[in-house]
Amino acid sequence: DGGITQSPKYLFRKEGQNVTLSCEQNLNHDAMYWYRQDPGQGLRLIYYSQIVNDFQKGDIAEGYSVSREKKESFPLTVTSAQKNPTAFYLCASSKGRELNNEQFFGPGTRLTVL
Amino acid sequence: DQQVKQNSPSLSVQEGRISILNCDYTNSMFDYFLWYKKYPAEGPTFLISISSIKDKNEDGRFTVFLNKSAKHLSLHIVPSQPGDSAVYFCAARGSNYKLTFGKGTLLTVNP
Repeated sequence: DGGITQSPKYLFRKEGQNVTLSCEQNLNHDAMYWYRQDPGQGLRLIYYSQIVNDFQKGDIAEGYSVSREKKESFPLTVTSAQKNPTAFYLCASSKGRELNNEQFFGPGTRLTVL
Repeated sequence: DQQVKQNSPSLSVQEGRISILNCDYTNSMFDYFLWYKKYPAEGPTFLISISSIKDKNEDGRFTVFLNKSAKHLSLHIVPSQPGDSAVYFCAARGSNYKLTFGKGTLLTVNP
């Protein structure tokens, strides 16, 4: 059955290490998104991709990088340049700009940097 | 600059009563609005949406009202149930079809 998977659910890393969060969807959606959620902050857009091999910075892209080599996959790398990486990370996808932009979310990955 | 605001961080209602969650926005170019529901440690799930050309959309116990002149929308849940207890996010679609989210309102429905 179709959906978005994010793994792992919990991730621990030492300060200064890069870490990559995975996001896979089998909904045949063109667009994919990465958000982070912090307490009292709502969801803030990190990066988004509307088509394979193309992606755009969101509102808080500094310290993050992404790739979109396949339609199904949109991995997010949290680099050592991200000043406050501990957060709950959410991946989402949608059919694309031509249709109503309902985004479907994955279950999230909680990253803790020690 | 917060373009989508949910000014009530929390709301508590009795089971069976109406829950009203509010959302204000500043960008007149937003053309589509959505409400999401989120349980702790899970991803948000889509609840209901409304186009800027409408003023009301209803789906079962959930109704969204849009007042464009006031740049205000609200989500009504009636009757409220304990299972509705969650954080509710308002979101608005703007340029490049990106969504801008509010900070959320924690709804608690007491049995």
